[in-house]
This record gives sequence, structure tokens and C-alpha cells, in this order.
Amino acid sequence: AQSVTQLDSHVSVSEGTPVLLRCNYSSSYSPSLFWYVQHPNKGLQLLLKYTSAATLVKGINGFEAEFKKSETSFHLTKPSAHMSDAAEYFCVVREDSNYQLIWGAGTKLIIKP
Amino acid sequence: NAGVTQTPKFRILKIGQSMTLQCTQDMNHNYMYWYRQDPGMGLKLIYYSVGAGITDKGEVPNGYNVSRSTTEDFPLRLELAAPSQTSVYFCASSPIRGLRSGANVLTFGAGSRLTVL
Repeated sequence: AQSVTQLDSHVSVSEGTPVLLRCNYSSSYSPSLFWYVQHPNKGLQLLLKYTSAATLVKGINGFEAEFKKSETSFHLTKPSAHMSDAAEYFCVVREDSNYQLIWGAGTKLIIKP
Repeated sequence: NAGVTQTPKFRILKIGQSMTLQCTQDMNHNYMYWYRQDPGMGLKLIYYSVGAGITDKGEVPNGYNVSRSTTEDFPLRLELAAPSQTSVYFCASSPIRGLRSGANVLTFGAGSRLTVL
């Protein structure tokens, strides 16, 4: 069965510095992977998705993620953090057998002025 | 388009009371889902539906019931509320094509915060 681990519960960066949110997965097959973002008191929004096309995936708001099969990782990055990026980020893997989504526990991104 | 609409946004229940969380989508999506989100945890799937008249259990179905009489509506019912059901509940939908192709892009409602005292 698939699983997903977000390695940091909280990440704090200064505005204008790079962001790295780490995600590792386990999967028996070629997985589909996603990053969702949840701003305070809002619903969840898809940031980007990987579905066996290009390994470097670009998403909204300047975020991107790289699928590394050898490391079973799908880390989310952004070159320069903005105050509006403060939110909780979820890494998600799609289970092949029944198409259900397996969610990571989330990483809260804090942006310091 | 409204997307996915959930009501109510907030509710406080007493132990043993019952209530229904409403969810409506106007995108003609076949798949609909109910998740709960507890602090420090990822989302857990409660129930899902692949179309009108068809529902199935997810990861944490105990204490809940659902129905899907129309494509648009997917209400979640709590029959005997317990403190363990204090959580934020999210309804979501996706098109069937997206699931089979692996895109599986969900559209979420804004959430319903439920407290059971």
C-alpha cells in the first residue's frame, strides 16, 4: 500500500529566501503525486501534480516539485518566499488500486518578515 | 460557478445529537468525497461516491452515514454525535475522467468545523 511522509511539521523561512518542503512516498507502482495548499480558514487548493510526464513539475504561485524515483521523494520548492505563501501544505499520493488519495500530515509554512 | 458548497460552516453539538452536513456541487462531477481533518493529521476519507445511488466506505466511516440521490448532492449524517467526531469536515468532488487518467484533481469546499461537547 502507498504511504506518504512529510518530514517537517513546521518550516520557518524569511521573506525572500528559498522554500523547501520535503515529502517522501512509498509506492509499489509508478505513483501519481500532488501538492495541495490550505490557507488559514480556507479550503484546499491544488498546487501541482505529477502523473508520469516530466519529472520537474511547475505549479501555481511560483512553486515547483521534482519527482525523484531513486530517492522516492517529491519535494516542493520556491526560489523566493512571499508573505502570502504562509499556509499549510499537503503532499498526496494516489493509490492505484482504488484511485483513493493518501494524504501526508501536512507542513505548516511560516514566513518571517 | 459556485464549485463545491458546504453548509454549515460552524456547528456545536451536544453528545448524542444528530445532524447533517450538506454538500452540493454544480460541476456535474461524478465522484464526491467526505474527509475529516484533525489537528496535525492529514485528511482521512470517511465516505465516497462514484455516482448517484452509489456510495462506499473510506478509511474512517464509523459513526457516519451518507446518501447520493442526485449527482449534485452528497450529505453526511452523524446519528449520535461523540466528542471524537470533533473535527473539520471537507467535501470534495472530481470528474471521473480525471481519476482514471491519474490526474484526480479534487475541488474542495471551504470546510465545516464541528465541535461535539
